[in-house]
Formats: sequence, structure tokens, C-alpha cells
Amino acid sequence: QKEVEQNSGPLSVPEGAIASLNCTYSDRGSQSFFWYRQYSGKSPELIMSIYSNGDKEDGRFTAQLNKASQYVSLLIRDSQPSDSATYLCAVSTSGTYKYIFGTGTRLKVLA
Amino acid sequence: GAVVSQHPSWVICKSGTSVKIECRSLDFQATTMFWYRQFPKQSLMLMATSNEGSKATYEQGVEKDKFLINHASLTLSTLTVTSAHPEDSSFYICSASSQGRWDTEAFFGQGTRLTVV
Repeated sequence: QKEVEQNSGPLSVPEGAIASLNCTYSDRGSQSFFWYRQYSGKSPELIMSIYSNGDKEDGRFTAQLNKASQYVSLLIRDSQPSDSATYLCAVSTSGTYKYIFGTGTRLKVLA
Repeated sequence: GAVVSQHPSWVICKSGTSVKIECRSLDFQATTMFWYRQFPKQSLMLMATSNEGSKATYEQGVEKDKFLINHASLTLSTLTVTSAHPEDSSFYICSASSQGRWDTEAFFGQGTRLTVV
């Protein structure tokens, strides 16, 4: 059974702080990794994608991938109350577009 | 980015009736579409993979006769929940991809909230 694990939270951080979200996966054949943000009652929206080991930065967001440890993380700098949402980690095997989602981590940014 | 449109955004139906949900790719041709279901406070669970012009592939535990999927064109896939029951009430989300154009990213529709009463 291929699994993607996330801490369900809630993770509470003060406004302006760095929020760190973590995800581990079991399938060593996984090639593509995604972070989605989902507000309550809404569909997920793509935040970051990462395909190779290392860091990838986009604005306030940094995704980190370590395939040897089967670990992917998302850092959110200068957290804002509007960042409060559930963050879903998704993993797929190259070429399949079939995503396995984690259960999501609920982030609360306190004003 | 690509746009995937899902319709309706919400629907209420009586137990025993059928409901059809549409998923359209508006600005690209989607060779593959996926249907997910999300219960409250849970993650997205893949129900089936829909390929244009061929039968859908269902995940283990998903009844193919209850959740009918049709992917008749490169821009439209439909999910029909037949003989709906209250336990089918959920948030249904489709995603679409076009191999070779946006690498391996899939794009999500806005979701359909189904309530069976």
C-alpha cells in the first residue's frame, strides 16, 4: 500500500513566523511531489511542485525534497493569517499523473 | 495555467435518484481525468481514472456500477452517481492532465458538493 503521511495538526504559528510542514512517502518509485493548499469547502490549489532533490523557492514558499529519506517539506516564510488552510502533500510516479494524497496538515496563523 | 471547470458546484438530491457531475478542461485537451472524493476532515481519495475513449479504471473498493464515468471527448468527463444514498454525500473533485504539455502537473476543478437527503 503506497502511503503519504502528514501530521494532521493543527500547526499554529504567529504571524510573520516560518511555518514548516512535513510529509513522508513510502513508494521509492515516486518522482513528482506537490504541495496543495485547500481552504475549507474549496478545491485544492497548487502551491509548489518539486521533482529533484534539494530546495525550490517561489516567493514565500520553499519546497525541500530528499528522496533518500523519502521526505518532502514546505516552508512558508512571513506567515500571514490568509495562509491558514489545510496543506496537502501529493506524490505521483513519473508519467502516471495519479496522485496519492496525504491527509493534510491544518495550519493556523495567529494574528 | 490550465483551467478545469466542474459543474455543478453543489447539488442536493433525493435518495434513490441519480446525479451527473461534469468536468471540462477549458483550454487544453485532457487525455486523462481523475475523480476524487473527499469526506469532511479527510483527504482526497482517488475513485477512478478516466481515459478518453476507453473504460475508466476504478480504485479498489469503488463500485463501478454505482459511479459511472464517461470520458467521451478530450475535454469532457462525467461522473454519474446512480441510486444515490445519504452515505454518498461528499465533496467530489475532478482533475485533468494533458501528457506532454504541462509535465506531470494535474489541474483541479472547483469541486461539487453532493448532499443526498
